[in-house]
Amino acid sequence: AQTVTQSQPEMSVQEAETVTLSCTYDTSESDYYLFWYKQPPSRQMILVIRQEAYKQQNATENRFSVNFQKAAKSFSLKISDSQLGDAAMYFCAYRTPLRANSKLTFGKGITLSVRP
Amino acid sequence: EAQVTQNPRYLITVTGKKLTVTCSQNMNHEYMSWYRQDPGLGLRQIYYSMNVEVTDKGDVPEGYKVSRKEKRNFPLILESPSPNQTSLYFCASSPTGGADGSTEAFFGQGTRLTVV
Repeated sequence: AQTVTQSQPEMSVQEAETVTLSCTYDTSESDYYLFWYKQPPSRQMILVIRQEAYKQQNATENRFSVNFQKAAKSFSLKISDSQLGDAAMYFCAYRTPLRANSKLTFGKGITLSVRP
Repeated sequence: EAQVTQNPRYLITVTGKKLTVTCSQNMNHEYMSWYRQDPGLGLRQIYYSMNVEVTDKGDVPEGYKVSRKEKRNFPLILESPSPNQTSLYFCASSPTGGADGSTEAFFGQGTRLTVV
């Protein structure tokens, strides 16, 4: 079974600084997808960034980028120029294609606070 | 506007009183699923549906039922709620049945359920 591990329950960053959120996963599959979701106090689940395992290039979305290390099964999220609105819970998630149940497997989440 | 709509957003009920949380999507998605979110556990899948009249258990199905009579609706039914079902519930939909795992999952706004 696939598992996703986020070992840090909380992190804090100064506004305008850079922070990296860690995520590791375990799978025997070679083809899969990885996601970071943001959950602000409104509880809405917002997709931040996605990475296809077959792509070697790390995904980027504006201030958000990932460091995808397939051999190490590591998928960290880097937030540059942190803003107060980045304060939220962040979930790392894994999904396989071509399966009867392409569910998302989530990590436990990390709460990010941003200091003004 | 493309969206997944859950109702109600908040619900307090008593043990044993049957309840239904509705979920509706307007994007013509085949795949729908329900997750529950608990502190320290992340999101876990309860049930999923590949298409109309096709449903199956996820990781934590005990105490829940679902139905998929129409493509757009996927209600979650708690026949006899118990306090351990107090949780935050999310409905999600995707445009395929998992053939393309990169496809973003669209989440509803969440339902905060308290069973006393």
